Amino acid sequence: SQTIHQWPATLVQPVGSPLSLECTVEGTSNPNLYWYRQAAGRGLQLLFYSVGIGQISSEVPQNLSASRPQDRQFILSSKKLLLSDSGFYLCAWSYGTGMGTDTQYFGPGTRLTVL
Amino acid sequence: ELKVEQNPLFLSMQEGKNYTIYCNYSTTSDRLYWYRQDPGKSLESLFVLLSNGAVKQEGRLMASLDTKARLSTLHITAAVHDLSATYFCAVDKRGWGGSEKLVFGKGTKLTVNP
Repeated sequence: SQTIHQWPATLVQPVGSPLSLECTVEGTSNPNLYWYRQAAGRGLQLLFYSVGIGQISSEVPQNLSASRPQDRQFILSSKKLLLSDSGFYLCAWSYGTGMGTDTQYFGPGTRLTVL
Repeated sequence: ELKVEQNPLFLSMQEGKNYTIYCNYSTTSDRLYWYRQDPGKSLESLFVLLSNGAVKQEGRLMASLDTKARLSTLHITAAVHDLSATYFCAVDKRGWGGSEKLVFGKGTKLTVNP
């Protein structure tokens, strides 16, 4: 079966510090991968998605970036955090095009607080 | 631009009662998803609806899709406290490379009171 991991689970960072959040998927190959952010009490905002190694599409211009160095690894980064970057970051995966129902399966999330 | 609207955003109901959550979307799509989120937790997939007239049921929850009306409903039958959570609908927006881009509604926070 497939599992998705995210770490860290919780993070408190000062404004202006760098960020690196990691997401890995087990049990499937060539998944589509996604990063979402959920601000407190609000819906989900798609930040980045990837259909393959090194292939990243950005949905929202901001001070965040994403990379996919390996097939099942997705990393969210920032060089300098802003207060507005606080939120619940969720990674998700789905089967590649033409397979399954394309349902996205979410990881446990990382709760980021920027002070 | 695809927009997804849910209503109500907040719902407080008594155990044993029935209610419906509505999800409207603005442009054509043939895939709609319902997710559940417990407080402080991640999202759990409930249903995927793939065609007009699709109906899925799991326990006390039943979801349906009307693609002509661009409307999905999540019906709750004889609510129990364990159903208290936030429910999101999400609509497919086929993206670059064929990836599945979902646009989420704001969520409906359901509280079931004894």
